[in-house]
Amino acid sequence: GAVVSQHPSWVICKSGTSVKIECRSLDFQATTMFWYRQFPKQSLMLMATSNEGSKATYEQGVEKDKFLINHASLTLSTLTVTSAHPEDSSFYICSARDLAGLAKNIQYFGAGTRLSVL
Amino acid sequence: TQLLEQSPQFLSIQEGENLTVYCNSSSVFSSLQWYRQEPGEGPVLLVTVVTGGEVKKLKRLTFQFGDARKDSSLHITAAQPGDTGLYLCAGAQGSGTYKYIFGTGTRLKVLA
Repeated sequence: GAVVSQHPSWVICKSGTSVKIECRSLDFQATTMFWYRQFPKQSLMLMATSNEGSKATYEQGVEKDKFLINHASLTLSTLTVTSAHPEDSSFYICSARDLAGLAKNIQYFGAGTRLSVL
Repeated sequence: TQLLEQSPQFLSIQEGENLTVYCNSSSVFSSLQWYRQEPGEGPVLLVTVVTGGEVKKLKRLTFQFGDARKDSSLHITAAQPGDTGLYLCAGAQGSGTYKYIFGTGTRLKVLA
């Protein structure tokens, strides 16, 4: 099956620094990728939809200047948490869809990135 | 606003018991998926249902999509400890980006 690689899997940073998380589709081209956030013992909350070559679409309540998304190629989307604060600590998960494939409704998930801001 | 409500939120049962998890909404979805997630990992897709009234079976798991495509259920027969995890439904709205909204989640623990 399709593989989505997310890196890093765990990052600890100081308050005020920026952190970049990468999401790569390894064996397919992903024109659309999604970024989710998950707090402990809670469900996934969609943050934004990342479209290759265009601006990301952010969900209501998500600060686009705080969470910068870049989808510069068909296999890579990045999420940068700018000026991170302890309340940004969470589990961030990306998913990717292969619009050219037969299984157009399937999104393939990365393993997630645990961000801890001290 | 959470569009998809799952019930129950938590469930702890003995091995061999049956259980049903519900996913309800007032919105219509073009398709609905069920996932299982282990701690510290991404969700793993179990099934996708697209037709109202559709029933799909995956070994001991039975999935049903409501006739009006607003709700779904997951039934597990003879639960095993390996079924333990967070079960999530996710509904897609619209026919363009297929954006999925996740349900509130059901945390299942099966005791040996």
